[in-house]
Amino acid sequence: GAGVSQSPSNKVTEKGKDVELRCDPISGHTALYWYRQRLGQGLEFLIYFQGNSAPDKSGLPSDRFSAERTGESVSTLTIQRTQQEDSAVYLCASSFDRRTEAFFGQGTRLTVV
Amino acid sequence: RKEVEQDPGPFNVPEGATVAFNCTYSNSASQSFFWYRQDCRKEPKLLMSVYSSGNEDGRFTAQLNRASQYISLLIRDSKLSDSATYLCVAEGPGTYKYIFGTGTRLKVLA
Repeated sequence: GAGVSQSPSNKVTEKGKDVELRCDPISGHTALYWYRQRLGQGLEFLIYFQGNSAPDKSGLPSDRFSAERTGESVSTLTIQRTQQEDSAVYLCASSFDRRTEAFFGQGTRLTVV
Repeated sequence: RKEVEQDPGPFNVPEGATVAFNCTYSNSASQSFFWYRQDCRKEPKLLMSVYSSGNEDGRFTAQLNRASQYISLLIRDSKLSDSATYLCVAEGPGTYKYIFGTGTRLKVLA
């Protein structure tokens, strides 16, 4: 596709439920990032995929969070047993390689009620 | 020390003013630096890359100071449309993932 695509754009879920967020990066981009942005806050790094290397999961806030990426395509971020503090916009970005600029999707706005 | 730090602002400046933002980074091995712009409730968008020799794009100038580990963004002749949050980016340690600063809010006043 022309840009990074994320789905859903909005998700409201009940506390305790699991959610899955999807990111379709720009075709050919080897690097993929997930960030979390709480209201009025900066971008918090979650996880980084680069080609076939092991992902950098150092930003995942708890073991309720996990992410996968299939080759150099789609990535899914899963949050299990959601909590209210998980409410945020989850942004995905991709870049051609490790040193080039990253392009963002429009984000998934997650609200846990 | 945070990996990438910025003054959150807000910077309130009149139209036509020149404004400068600085951003410090902790990973001395970082090779890639960027400035992004983020409008309210939108995703960040690349404003410009920051090169070692410094670079200019119209009214915007970015510079890198490796010795002091900071990057800067200068905006000349500010426009109302420049009002946004400006995010700096550097590579983090280890895998060199991109780490964003928390952003500096700019409001250009008529």
